[in-house]
Amino acid sequence: QQQVKQSPQSLIVQKGGISIINCAYENTAFDYFPWYQQFPGKGPALLIAIRPDVSEKKEGRFTISFNKSAKQFSLHIMDSQPGDSATYFCAASGNFGNEKLTFGTGTRLTIIP
Amino acid sequence: DTEVTQTPKHLVMGMTNKKSLKCEQHMGHRAMYWYKQKAKKPPELMFVYSYEKLSINESVPSRFSPECPNSSLLNLHLHALQPEDSALYLCASSPTGTGGYGYTFGSGTRLTVV
Repeated sequence: QQQVKQSPQSLIVQKGGISIINCAYENTAFDYFPWYQQFPGKGPALLIAIRPDVSEKKEGRFTISFNKSAKQFSLHIMDSQPGDSATYFCAASGNFGNEKLTFGTGTRLTIIP
Repeated sequence: DTEVTQTPKHLVMGMTNKKSLKCEQHMGHRAMYWYKQKAKKPPELMFVYSYEKLSINESVPSRFSPECPNSSLLNLHLHALQPEDSALYLCASSPTGTGGYGYTFGSGTRLTVV
C-alpha cells in the first residue's frame, strides 16, 4: 500500500518533443506528490509538486497531471531539451505523523538532438 | 540560505576505519533525514530526526550511527563498513508537520568502502 509505481524505466525523446512519465499509487492517504530531478553525482532536486485538490499544475515547461479517481499522476516535459537529460523520481507522502517520502523507481530520460 | 550542505563530497574508507559524514542546514527545518542511494535506484530512507530526537530507524545495521547535536547539524558515524555499503549518502531536511512539503536534499557524499 505504500508503493509508488513508476514507468517507463527509461525514455529517449527527441529534442523539442514531449516527455511523459507516469506514476501510480495505492494509498489514498497520500496527499502530496512531488517530482524530483537528479543529475549524476547530485542529490534529487524538487522540480514540481501537486496536492490532490487540483488536477493539473504547470510551471514553465513542466506540468503535472493528477487523476485522483485513478490514483495516477504524470509529469509532462514540453519542448524537451538536452539539459533535461536526468533521472526523474516521482514520490508521495501524507500526514502520517512523520515526513517520510515514498519514491517511485525512477525514469532515466535522455533527450537526443 | 536554502541549502543542505554535506561534507565530505567523496570518501574512501577501509573496512576497519571509523569516519563521519556531516550535514548542515540553516532553514530552520526541525526534521532531518539520512538516505542511502545505490546506482540507478531511488533513495532509501535510513533515519529520521524530528526536533533533534530519532523518530525513525529503518532497521539500519548498527555500523551506521546517526547523531543530531543540534537543530542545524546531522552526523552519520560509520564503523566497520562492508563493500556493499558503498553508495551515495544523502542528507535532507524539511519543516515538520507538512507531510513532505519543503523537503530539501543535499548533494550527497559518495562513499566507497574498500
